[in-house]
Amino acid sequence: DTGVSQDPRHKITKRGQNVTFRCDPISEHNRLYWYRQTLGQGPEFLTYFQNEAQLEKSRLLSDRFSAERPKGSFSTLEIQRTEQGDSAMYLCASSLGAVDTQYFGPGTRLTVL
Amino acid sequence: AQSVTQLGSHVSVSEGALVLLRCNYSSSVPPYLFWYVQYPNQGLQLLLKYTSAATLVKGINGFEAEFKKSETSFHLTKPSAHMSDAAEYFCAVSEVNTGFQKLVFGTGTRLLVSP
Repeated sequence: DTGVSQDPRHKITKRGQNVTFRCDPISEHNRLYWYRQTLGQGPEFLTYFQNEAQLEKSRLLSDRFSAERPKGSFSTLEIQRTEQGDSAMYLCASSLGAVDTQYFGPGTRLTVL
Repeated sequence: AQSVTQLGSHVSVSEGALVLLRCNYSSSVPPYLFWYVQYPNQGLQLLLKYTSAATLVKGINGFEAEFKKSETSFHLTKPSAHMSDAAEYFCAVSEVNTGFQKLVFGTGTRLLVSP
């Protein structure tokens, strides 16, 4: 068990560019979550997958954001036409069951210039 | 809607002193409650969780928290602070919707430990 991994750990981009982040959950976990954490705030829920199905999306997830989990394993989060307000830490978590502990990855820190 | 309030964005203690981090929650249904710790440039690590069993919950690294329904509180304590406890602490609440658990976090409390 190597834990939840995220790639890249840091991303600097210019406003208007597209970025994609990857999350690899703990191998047997079929539930995967994305959260966003801005400076000085706690994480905020973005979206949730059970296996490959995206079952819940927050209103925070604008049309510029899309998340996938094509084979029920790793997940990607893409942001199109980035804005400075997208600068944040993007955290991925996974769990085995609905009420089981969510294990978090180290996060991807996005800076939009 | 659920929410969490963490009183005090920063708490300073001396090494060996009692640690008390405050958390009050709001939930329309019986809640699940969590404390997570975040070290710099790292993700969140679960310290402990309350899921309607015992009201006094013991976690890792000597931390514990007590669920008090009458006060809607879930304060985190540790009898004796260690330098390695310096980190950001987040309280979170959830209700189990159909099929998944959405965590709602507070704004965090940064614990500073001085020698």
